[in-house]
Amino acid sequence: KQEVTQIPAALSVPEGENLVLNCSFTDSAIYNLQWFRQDPGKGLTSLLLIQSSQREQTSGRLNASLDKSSGRSTLYIAASQPGDSATYLCAVYPNAGGTSYGKLTFGQGTILTVHP
Amino acid sequence: DTEVTQTPKHLVMGMTNKKSLKCEQHMGHRAMYWYKQKAKKPPELMFVYSYEKLSINESVPSRFSPECPNSSLLNLHLHALQPEDSALYLCASSLRANYGYTFGSGTRLTVV
Repeated sequence: KQEVTQIPAALSVPEGENLVLNCSFTDSAIYNLQWFRQDPGKGLTSLLLIQSSQREQTSGRLNASLDKSSGRSTLYIAASQPGDSATYLCAVYPNAGGTSYGKLTFGQGTILTVHP
Repeated sequence: DTEVTQTPKHLVMGMTNKKSLKCEQHMGHRAMYWYKQKAKKPPELMFVYSYEKLSINESVPSRFSPECPNSSLLNLHLHALQPEDSALYLCASSLRANYGYTFGSGTRLTVV
């Protein structure tokens, strides 16, 4: 059974710092990996989707890398801002076939607070 | 249109009521999902529809009944819920199963 772990569970930093959020998964036979952001009481906003053949994706101040062989993904946030405060979730997609096809496995999330 | 729209945003219902949650997307996605999220926990999958057919039911109690009338619309019918069913219910869609989810903003359900 796939298990996804996110470290740290919570992070509080001053504005302007560069951040690294970590995601590890136990079964390296994954298809895609997706990072989401969730504001309190709201839905999930997709940040980056790393497809099966990719190792990295970038969007603005965000960069996510994926190393399937070691079961790790990293989300890098440059020059953090108070508006980045949210819970960040990583989710892995199973490989094609099998009864779990289409079922995301989420980590527990990292709660990020960026203070001015 | 790049959104998944969920209605209502908030719902309070009694344990004997019948209500429905609605989810709509116009992105041409052919897979749609219902998730349940309790406070401070990640979302948990309830149902997966692929090409309007139910492909995954995560052993959800029968008081939750999904329906996919067409490729753009997904409903979740609720009946005789329990207070522990209070949660944020999230709908998502993707071009096809197992590829790039887009989530809606959710329905906050309170069962009294």
